[in-house]
Amino acid sequence: DVKVTQSSRYLVKRTGEKVFLECVQDMDHENMFWYRQDPGLGLRLIYFSYDVKMKEKGDIPEGYSVSREKKERFSLILESASTNQTSMYLCASNTGGGNQPQHFGDGTRLSIL
Amino acid sequence: GQQLNQSPQSMFIQEGEDVSMNCTSSSIFNTWLWYKQDPGEGPVLLIALYKAGELTSNGRLTAQFGITRKDSFLNISASIPSDVGIYFCAGRSSGGSNYKLTFGKGTLLTVNP
Repeated sequence: DVKVTQSSRYLVKRTGEKVFLECVQDMDHENMFWYRQDPGLGLRLIYFSYDVKMKEKGDIPEGYSVSREKKERFSLILESASTNQTSMYLCASNTGGGNQPQHFGDGTRLSIL
Repeated sequence: GQQLNQSPQSMFIQEGEDVSMNCTSSSIFNTWLWYKQDPGEGPVLLIALYKAGELTSNGRLTAQFGITRKDSFLNISASIPSDVGIYFCAGRSSGGSNYKLTFGKGTLLTVNP
């Protein structure tokens, strides 16, 4: 079974802090994704990566950056956290050219105070 | 950007009843996926569809890829209390990025025992 592991289930940070969310997958998948999920808005893609050191902006990249130094790990970085970044963050991965289903982690519920 | 209209937004049913939900798109999709998300967890893949007209079952769940390639439905037969959760459709459009999925906003299912 595919295993996508997010480092924290719950996280509380303060406005202005630099926040790191980590995601690791154990299936040697080429592609990894970061989403945020908000009530009434569904899942929105922040960034994705199709190879080590490669990244592409999703639909809402503002205020975020990412890092993919190793194939199995994809990090989401909030450079200076703001209250409107309070959300559920979901990491996903898949293989191949992208036609395969994405498999999700259990999410990180991030609160910015 | 792409949009998926998922309906209904929520359903309240009695245990044992059948359930049907659907997603429609204004553009052609070449992949349809159905996910379930339990409270506090990440989405879990239920069924993947890749061909127009394809009908696929997974236990009590059945999903179909619409002939027009602009819609898909998910049926759950003989519902049980553990079917409670949010069901999401997701699709990959034929003219879009191979990597990006478009998500519906979900159907919240409540099953009364």
